[in-house]
Amino acid sequence: AQSVTQLGSHVSVSEGALVLLRCNYSSSVPPYLFWYVQYPNQGLQLLLKYTSAATLVKGINGFEAEFKKSETSFHLTKPSAHMSDAAEYFCAVRSGTYKYIFGTGTRLKVLA
Amino acid sequence: NAGVTQTPKFRVLKTGQSMTLLCAQDMNHEYMYWYRQDPGMGLRLIHYSVGEGTTAKGEVPDGYNVSRLKKQNFLLGLESAAPSQTSVYFCASSYDWDRAVDTGELFFGEGSRLTVL
Repeated sequence: AQSVTQLGSHVSVSEGALVLLRCNYSSSVPPYLFWYVQYPNQGLQLLLKYTSAATLVKGINGFEAEFKKSETSFHLTKPSAHMSDAAEYFCAVRSGTYKYIFGTGTRLKVLA
Repeated sequence: NAGVTQTPKFRVLKTGQSMTLLCAQDMNHEYMYWYRQDPGMGLRLIHYSVGEGTTAKGEVPDGYNVSRLKKQNFLLGLESAAPSQTSVYFCASSYDWDRAVDTGELFFGEGSRLTVL
């Protein structure tokens, strides 16, 4: 069965610093992986997705993620944090035919 | 283009009361889902539907019922609300993965915050 683990429920970075949010997955088949972002009092919106076309995936707002099969990881990065990046981030894997498995989320705080 | 719309956005219930959350999507999506979001637990799937007239249980279905009488609507019902059902509920929809040109990205509504006293 597929599963997703996000390390660190809260991450704080200074404005302008590197953002690194960790996601490890478990999947018996080639996975489809996603990162979603949730701003306060809003629904989730897609940040980026891995579909096996390329291991380095670029998303919106300067975020990218690298699929590493050997490490079963799909970590999210951004070179320089902005105050507007403060939000909760969810990693997800497509599971089976119709379902998605979500991680427990990482709340990113950006310090001025 | 409204996308996924949830009503109501806020509701307070007393224990034992019933209510229905409505989700409507205008993207002609086949698949629709109801999730609940609780602090530290991420999103958990309550029920889902793969097409009009079909529903299936997710990982936390107890205490909830759903119906999909029309393709664009997916209703979530609580017959007898309990404090444990205090949560934020999200509806989502996606294309049919088998026929989709992409990988079935989920489109979310803005959420419905339910408090059961």
